[in-house]
Amino acid sequence: NAGVTQTPKFQVLKTGQSMTLQCAQDMNHNSMYWYRQDPGMGLRLIYYSASEGTTDKGEVPNGYNVSRLNKREFSLRLESAAPSQTSVYFCASVGTVNTEAFFGQGTRLTVV
Amino acid sequence: GDSVTQMEGPVTLSEEAFLTINCTYTATGYPSLFWYVQYPGEGLQLLLKATKADDKGSNKGFEATYRKETTSFHLEKGSVQVSDSAVYFCALSEGYGNNRLAFGKGNQVVVIP
Repeated sequence: NAGVTQTPKFQVLKTGQSMTLQCAQDMNHNSMYWYRQDPGMGLRLIYYSASEGTTDKGEVPNGYNVSRLNKREFSLRLESAAPSQTSVYFCASVGTVNTEAFFGQGTRLTVV
Repeated sequence: GDSVTQMEGPVTLSEEAFLTINCTYTATGYPSLFWYVQYPGEGLQLLLKATKADDKGSNKGFEATYRKETTSFHLEKGSVQVSDSAVYFCALSEGYGNNRLAFGKGNQVVVIP
């Protein structure tokens, strides 16, 4: 009954370091998403993957890359972290058309 | 493109008070509409949804009606509890191809005993 699992839950990076946020879902969903949540800004879409093998940019893709490794996994990579990327990151997945999204617990990232 | 607008600012109210959070949307087609709730330190979870005009979604005493004529999906609860303190997000999904969700900015709700 795991749903959407994100790792790690917390991370502190120095400016310029790289890291990958992992996301996996066990619901056989086609679509997966990465959002960032900042105070007063709501959720902003970074990248999404409509199906295995495809990825597309969202509203705020700069500084990020993604990989849809297989149907279950969708990772988000920061190649050279910047303080502006300090945020809470959420992964989500959606099954069929017009159904709800399921969210992971989030990764709280601080870049110093 | 698709967008969702929620009323500005946090909402503070006393236990047993009536809660309304306004949500309006802009969409080119016939979206599904959702309310999500986020408790402190957690991810978002679905509170309720409606998939077509005039549908009413309900859960845990919360209700929202899909109003196509006013492009609205306002959230209401008749008598709030301290445990309802959370951030509430309105969202829509057009459901085409990528099945993208558009979110409002969220409203912090604080219920005082």
